[in-house]
This record gives sequence, structure tokens and C-alpha cells, in this order.
Amino acid sequence: KNQVEQSPQSLIILEGKNCTLQCNYTVSPFSNLRWYKQDTGRGPVSLTIMTFSENTKSNGRYTATLDADTKQSSLHITASQLSDSASYICVVTARNNAGNMLTFGGGTRLMVKP
Amino acid sequence: DAGVTQSPTHLIKTRGQQVTLRCSPKSGHDTVSWYQQALGQGPQFIFQYYEEEERQRGNFPDRFSGHQFPNYSSELNVNALLLGDSALYLCASSLTPGGRGVSYNEQFFGPGTRLTVL
Repeated sequence: KNQVEQSPQSLIILEGKNCTLQCNYTVSPFSNLRWYKQDTGRGPVSLTIMTFSENTKSNGRYTATLDADTKQSSLHITASQLSDSASYICVVTARNNAGNMLTFGGGTRLMVKP
Repeated sequence: DAGVTQSPTHLIKTRGQQVTLRCSPKSGHDTVSWYQQALGQGPQFIFQYYEEEERQRGNFPDRFSGHQFPNYSSELNVNALLLGDSALYLCASSLTPGGRGVSYNEQFFGPGTRLTVL
């Protein structure tokens, strides 16, 4: 069964600090891994996408890493801002004959405090 | 260019009732996927529609059904509502390369419909 596990479930940091969110997955056959940011009550918005051959991808203050051998990914947020407060969801795509099948992690809820 | 739109934004129903949620895909997209997101959890895949047919389905009972129209918009119907159906329902659209019937492209999400079942 395809699964995506994220840790921690929740995190509180002070504005300006860095943090790292973790994602472990067992998804086959692997196609790509995305990190999404989801504000409360809104739809997820894609931050980064990585395929099997990529091990790091940056989007401003967000840097994602991927270790396809250990099936782990991380999202590092640098110099956090209050607007970073949101849920961060790791999504792994498997590719089958019917198209893409997305498996979502439970998310990490980040709260940035002043 | 409008992104994915969903209606209504919020909805309150009582147990046993039926509900219909609507989704308009991003311009140029032809494939629509529906997800259920319970509070504090990640989205769970319900089903995907392409060419007006259900192409893939997650682990949801037959109470959950859908439809896709010729203009690619889609509806999600839930019958005999249960308290546990209370959730944020997300619609995502993508583009399926013509003639292959398989979509490998990025899904763009709508803002969701918050359904509360009392």
C-alpha cells in the first residue's frame, strides 16, 4: 500500500528562524514528489516538484531535498516569516496505466510566531 | 485566466441528505480529480474524471458519485450524508495529452468546499 508519512505533525517557531520538515514514503512506481503549502481552508499550492533524478530544488526561501534510495524528502524553510504559517503537505505521485495516482501525507502544521 | 473554481464555498447539511458540489477546471484542462480532506489530515483521493467517465477511484463508498460535463466541469454528489462526511472537498484539474487517455501532468487545486454535516 502506498503511504506517505510526515513529521513533525506540528511545529512552532519564532519569526526569522529556520526549520526542516520531513517526509518518508513508500510509493511505487515513483514518478515525482511535491511539497505543497496549504493555508487554512484553502486549496494546496505547489512549492516544489522533484523527479527521481533530482535531489534538491529551491523556490525562494524553500529548499526541498530528495533521497530516492532511502525514500526520504525534506523541506527546509529559511528565515521564516509570519506568512509561512500554514500546513505543508508532501505528495508523492505514482504512475500507473490509468495515469497519476497521488498519495498525500498528513501534513505538518507550522506556526510562526513574532 | 481563472484557476480552478469551486462552488459553493461553504455548505451545511443534515444527516441523510444529499449534496452536490461543483468544480470548473483551469482553462485548458480536461481532467478533474476530487479529494476529501478531514480537519487536520491530508487529502484523500475520491475519483478522477476524464472524457466524461470515471477513470480512477479511491477507497470511497458508492454514496460518492460524480459527473463530468462536455465543458470539462464536474460535480461531486454524496448521498445519505453521514456526520463523518464533514470535510473540505477539493477539486483539482490537469491536462491529459490528447489520444492517450493518461494524465501525467500537474494537478492544480481549487479553494475547496467546506461541507458540514449536522
